[in-house]
Amino acid sequence: GAGVSQSPSNKVTEKGKDVELRCDPISGHTALYWYRQRLGQGLEFLIYFQGNSAPDKSGLPSDRFSAERTGESVSTLTIQRTQQEDSAVYLCASSPSGTTNEKLFFGSGTQLSVL
Amino acid sequence: GENVEQHPSTLSVQEGDSAVIKCTYSDSASNYFPWYKQELGKRPQLIIDIRSNVGEKKDQRIAVTLNKTAKHFSLHITETQPEDSAVYFCAASKNNFNKFYFGSGTKLNVKP
Repeated sequence: GAGVSQSPSNKVTEKGKDVELRCDPISGHTALYWYRQRLGQGLEFLIYFQGNSAPDKSGLPSDRFSAERTGESVSTLTIQRTQQEDSAVYLCASSPSGTTNEKLFFGSGTQLSVL
Repeated sequence: GENVEQHPSTLSVQEGDSAVIKCTYSDSASNYFPWYKQELGKRPQLIIDIRSNVGEKKDQRIAVTLNKTAKHFSLHITETQPEDSAVYFCAASKNNFNKFYFGSGTKLNVKP
C-alpha cells in the first residue's frame, strides 16, 4: 500500500472486553512502533519491533497489553479486559530500517472508546 | 529516561505573523530532534528535524534551532498561513532509536 494502514479506524467496546487493533506497515519497512495518544496529550511509546529481534516492550502500561508481529509484516496490539482509561487513539508507525534518527511514517490511528 | 516538555500548549497568531514553539529535554545523550505536524483528523507527519551536530536548520518558512547546552530546541514558523493550523509535536531520541520521546503537543491556530 501507499502508507501505513490501521484498522479499525474506530472501536467502541464495553469495559472488560478484549480488543485487537491491527497495523499494516509500509512494505519493506523493518521497524514498527505502537504509540498511544490520549486526548490533548502527546504520543506515549508502547512497543517497538525491529525485524526478527526481540521487541522492546518497555512502554506497555500493564500486562493487559500485548503485541505481536509476524516477520516484517502485520502487527496486532491486543488489550485484554479493557478499562475506561484505555480510551485513546492508538497510532502505529513504521520506518525503513529502524536505524538511528529515521523518519517515522504514521498510520491514521484507531480511536478506541471504552464505555 | 528522557523527559520532553513542550510549550505553549495552545498558540493563536494572526496570519502573516511568526509562531514559535519551544521544547526542552532532559537527557544530554539525545541527539536527534524531529518535529511532527498533525492536522485535525490526520496522521502525524514529519516536517523538519535537526541533529545534535548543528545548531539551526531551515526549510522555507520553517526553521528549528537547537541549544545543546541548555537542552532546548524550538520550531519557528514565519509568515504563518491558515493551513499551518495543526497540532505540532516535538520529539527527542538518541542512539537507541527505538524510543522517540514526544512532547505533549502545541495546538497552533492561525487566524485569517
